[in-house]
Amino acid sequence: EPEVTQTPSHQVTQMGQEVILRCVPISNHLYFYWYRQILGQKVEFLVSFYNNEISEKSEIFDDQFSVERPDGSNFTLKIRSTKLEDSAMYFCASSEARTTGVIFGQGTRLTVV
Amino acid sequence: GESVGLHLPTLSVQEGDNSIINCAYSNSASDYFIWYKQESGKGPQFIIDIRSNMDKRQGQRVTVLLNKTVKHLSLQIAATQPGDSAVYFCAERDTGGFKTIFGAGTRLFVKA
Repeated sequence: EPEVTQTPSHQVTQMGQEVILRCVPISNHLYFYWYRQILGQKVEFLVSFYNNEISEKSEIFDDQFSVERPDGSNFTLKIRSTKLEDSAMYFCASSEARTTGVIFGQGTRLTVV
Repeated sequence: GESVGLHLPTLSVQEGDNSIINCAYSNSASDYFIWYKQESGKGPQFIIDIRSNMDKRQGQRVTVLLNKTVKHLSLQIAATQPGDSAVYFCAERDTGGFKTIFGAGTRLFVKA
C-alpha cells in the first residue's frame, strides 16, 4: 500500500539551529501538507502546498517556517532558528485531491534542547 | 471561529461490544469530514470519510453518521477489538479550503 515516508524519525537540535524535515509524499498525490502535534495535544495544521505554491497556511506558519518541493518526489519543511516550543511531532501528509482522504506519514519527532 | 471538538476524552468498552465516538463541529461551511485513528508514536491513520451531502457511510466494521442540523459527527465501531485501542480524531475541511481541522481526540480503551 502506498505510504508517505518521512525522515528522520527523530531529530534533536540545539535552540537557534535550523532543521529540515523531509518527506516523500505518495507519488500520484497532488496536495501536500505539514502538520504538527505537541505531545498530548491535537494535530494542528501548518501549511498546504499545491501546484508548487503554498495554498493555505495557519497562524503558526510564520516567517520561521518554509516549505519546498525541490524535485518531483520530495517535500521539505525548514524551521529556522528553532525554539524550545518547536519541539513536537511533525507530520507530512498528502492527498490526491482537495476532498479526498489525507494520508499521513509516521512523523518526525523534533526535540529542541 | 471554526472548531472541531469531542464530547468525551476517554471511552472504555468491552471487547466485542460496539463503540460510539462522538464529535461536534461548529463550522457550517465544512463539507468534508474524516475520522482518523492514532496509535501511540504513529501518524494519524485514515479510517473513513463522509461528504456533507451524505448522512451515513459504512466501511468495514465502521460507520460514520453526520447530522448537519446539529453539527454532529459520530464513529461507530462494531465488535470492538483490542487492536482498536487508540486515540480517535474527527476532522473537518471547509468548502474550498485546504486545511483539515482536527478535534481534540477521544482515547478508546478496549477491555479484554
